[in-house]
Amino acid sequence: SQKIEQNSEALNIQEGKTATLTCNYTNYSPAYLQWYRQDPGRGPVFLLLIRENEKEKRKERLKVTFDTTLKQSLFHITASQPADSATYLCALKGYNTDKLIFGTGTRLQVFP
Amino acid sequence: GAGVSQSPSNKVTEKGKDVELRCDPISGHTALYWYRQRLGQGLEFLIYFQGNSAPDKSGLPSDRFSAERTGESVSTLTIQRTQQEDSAVYLCASSLYSYEQYFGPGTRLTVT
Repeated sequence: SQKIEQNSEALNIQEGKTATLTCNYTNYSPAYLQWYRQDPGRGPVFLLLIRENEKEKRKERLKVTFDTTLKQSLFHITASQPADSATYLCALKGYNTDKLIFGTGTRLQVFP
Repeated sequence: GAGVSQSPSNKVTEKGKDVELRCDPISGHTALYWYRQRLGQGLEFLIYFQGNSAPDKSGLPSDRFSAERTGESVSTLTIQRTQQEDSAVYLCASSLYSYEQYFGPGTRLTVT
């Protein structure tokens, strides 16, 4: 069955360091992959979209890579700040469907 | 402009009662999604509407769950004969042509 895995353990890093979050998937051929941020008590907020034929996408301090051979996406936040503390969700959309399948998310905690 | 709104923000109901949750999407967005998020879990897809096409109901967990959408506007998610395991946050999202999704704040449902 289709499966999307994100590290369930929280990632704790020091302010100023680069945070790297992982999204792995199996039994899936995604057309594109998205990353969302979710703060407690709020709905997710869209951050970045990367298509299956793109290797890397950047937006300000954010960078996403997509390796369809490894079936993996990496999400990087450079020069991390305490305000970056949140849960980050990856989501995949396949071909011939408009449905997004979400991972369970990884909680990031950035300490000053 | 206005984002996605959901009402009520909180709902407490007794086991066995019916509840109706409302979602007002962003004006002009053709697609509308409902998700369920249990405490500490990821987003579970429930149902998806796209324009006038038949909805994708593949995520509805039982026949107690149903949803309607009027054209490209308001949607209601109805849960009949609520059970305690229905307690969760119900999130609605809308999008244009199935790209990034814009989420509402959610409805927290508690079944006692």
